[in-house]
Amino acid sequence: NAGVTQTPKFQVLKTGQSMTLQCAQDMNHEYMSWYRQDPGMGLRLIHYSVGAGITDQGEVPNGYNVSRSTTEDFPLRLLSAAPSQTSVYFCASSRLTSGPYEQYFGPGTRLTVT
Amino acid sequence: ELKVEQNPLFLSMQEGKNYTIYCNYSTTSDRLYWYRQDPGKSLESLFVLLSNGAVKQEGRLMASLDTKARLSTLHITAAVHDLSATYFCAVDLSGGGADGLTFGKGTHLIIQP
Repeated sequence: NAGVTQTPKFQVLKTGQSMTLQCAQDMNHEYMSWYRQDPGMGLRLIHYSVGAGITDQGEVPNGYNVSRSTTEDFPLRLLSAAPSQTSVYFCASSRLTSGPYEQYFGPGTRLTVT
Repeated sequence: ELKVEQNPLFLSMQEGKNYTIYCNYSTTSDRLYWYRQDPGKSLESLFVLLSNGAVKQEGRLMASLDTKARLSTLHITAAVHDLSATYFCAVDLSGGGADGLTFGKGTHLIIQP
């Protein structure tokens, strides 16, 4: 199993540009989520999904969109990039129907917005 | 709103010493996680604590959970340099994982020879 994969690993955007961060998992996990990590802030939940066709907002959803058309994929879209979105983004997945609900994290995408 | 507080946020210690990292959270939860993160890397799962009184050990690390006190501890025994990393605790508010995890700010641990 590849686990949770993310692309790209690094990205530089200009203010106002849009882009999609890709996330895929091959563990047949129902639950997928996106976090951002900023220095000294820990990780903060952006959006999450409990299954295909179902998404919901986390703590910091503004400026981001998600969709979940398949169990495997959960892309994160930045609509109009802003410098405040400079961060490291992690995708995670876990089971929901049986424990221990441990979340497995992807390798991360380091995004810089200039 | 769930708040998760770790302390200390920064810890420098010598090899061979023992120390404890504390994780307090503000709302009842029976599910707590500890993760390790090396610089520039992703998060590695260390422990999943699922009930009051749970204790888990792996090598020089031991984690415990007291849900009544809303407190988890990560104890390091006879520290070695390889344990230098940032350690996060995270709480699952919903109990089933569906609402995501709320993380502490992390404890940056440096172990010096």
